[in-house]
Amino acid sequence: DADVTQTPRNRITKTGKRIMLECSQTKGHDRMYWYRQDPGLGLRLIYYSFDVKDINKGEISDGYSVSRQAQAKFSLSLESAIPNQTALYFCATSDTGTSGVGTDTQYFGPGTRLTVL
Amino acid sequence: GQNIDQPTEMTATEGAIVQINCTYQTSGFNGLFWYQQHAGEAPTFLSYNVLDGLEEKGRFSSFLSRSKGYSYLLLKELQMKDSASYLCAVRASGGSYIPTFGRGTSLIVHP
Repeated sequence: DADVTQTPRNRITKTGKRIMLECSQTKGHDRMYWYRQDPGLGLRLIYYSFDVKDINKGEISDGYSVSRQAQAKFSLSLESAIPNQTALYFCATSDTGTSGVGTDTQYFGPGTRLTVL
Repeated sequence: GQNIDQPTEMTATEGAIVQINCTYQTSGFNGLFWYQQHAGEAPTFLSYNVLDGLEEKGRFSSFLSRSKGYSYLLLKELQMKDSASYLCAVRASGGSYIPTFGRGTSLIVHP
């Protein structure tokens, strides 16, 4: 079974609709992240969370919100979807390791392809 | 902020060696990552460098020079399955310690 799962894997929606993307992990990691990927622009950080009570904005948080319901779950919401939010969305997790910062390698989910019409 | 630069696309021949470069500018360096991403799939971790020098892992090696703000990923004995995007990500010290990703290099391996 995959360690980091995302649902749905594909979603087509209309402008103005509310959308939630969900991420679950069984790796036991404290840190979770949401990224979007657009052709030619690479991975850009939307939000991140270092534990259940911690939520932080990333580089491109406008138009998005998140919820960390439990250590294993981190959901991303688009309150009112717009066409330029059409992208591939990735959830990722990492572990600080024993040294605090550690290597902090990120492990990515399979992605959600979102299309906003 | 950080500025990370990688070539957009490279092509190489099966069996050959290819070097993918990454240059960066950052205020305080705290590690550099390389990830591989096949089309439509998740990025997967390849290597991590925090000290100068070469890290070797089978057919893949990664080099870092902190004084030059430079890294490369070296892929030997190229196989068709190595066709993918290769993402360089740099972590700065201070703040969140979250790596910033470059735009990636698309590698096409042909027979």
